[in-house]
Amino acid sequence: DVKVTQSSRYLVKRTGEKVFLECVQDMDHENMFWYRQDPGLGLRLIYFSYDVKMKEKGDIPEGYSVSREKKERFSLILESASTNQTSMYLCASSPGRDVSYEQYFGPGTRLTVT
Amino acid sequence: AQKVTQAQTEISVVEKEDVTLDCVYETRDTTYYLFWYKQPPSGELVFLIRRNSFDEQNEISGRYSWNFQKSTSSFNFTITASQVVDSAVYFCALSESFSGGYNKLIFGAGTRLAVHP
Repeated sequence: DVKVTQSSRYLVKRTGEKVFLECVQDMDHENMFWYRQDPGLGLRLIYFSYDVKMKEKGDIPEGYSVSREKKERFSLILESASTNQTSMYLCASSPGRDVSYEQYFGPGTRLTVT
Repeated sequence: AQKVTQAQTEISVVEKEDVTLDCVYETRDTTYYLFWYKQPPSGELVFLIRRNSFDEQNEISGRYSWNFQKSTSSFNFTITASQVVDSAVYFCALSESFSGGYNKLIFGAGTRLAVHP
């Protein structure tokens, strides 16, 4: 079974702090994604990566950056956390670029910025 | 623009009732895929089904069935004889292709289903 793990289930940070959210997948998937989930808005794509050291902006990249130094690991970085970044963050991976591939999700990190 | 609409925000039913979750989509792609995911209280989205734009056959898997109608751009999901374990948030998603050979998923807002004993 594909396993996508995220470093924390719950995280509380203060405004202005630098925050790192880590995601690791164990199935040698090429693609990795970061989403945020907010009530009434569904899942919105922040960034994605199709290869090591490669990244592409999603629909809401402002205030975020990412890093993919190894194939299995995709990090989301909040350079200076703000209260409007309080949300559930979901990481996902998929095997390749084919449009038919489903995405496999991690359990999510619920981030609260105070 | 690509868009997925799940008009039902919340649905509440009693166990053993049938329930249908609606999904309407907009796309400019001629080839695309539609997906349904389930998010139980644990938080992890679980893949349920994928359907490509050229296959309009309905699909049944146990108590779950899906009705894809290209003419109305809909991909509805029915749970027959609902159970408490079906309580979750359900997301419909649409694939979107763009330049560079990349693709991504566009998610609807989700429908929260509560099944009461």
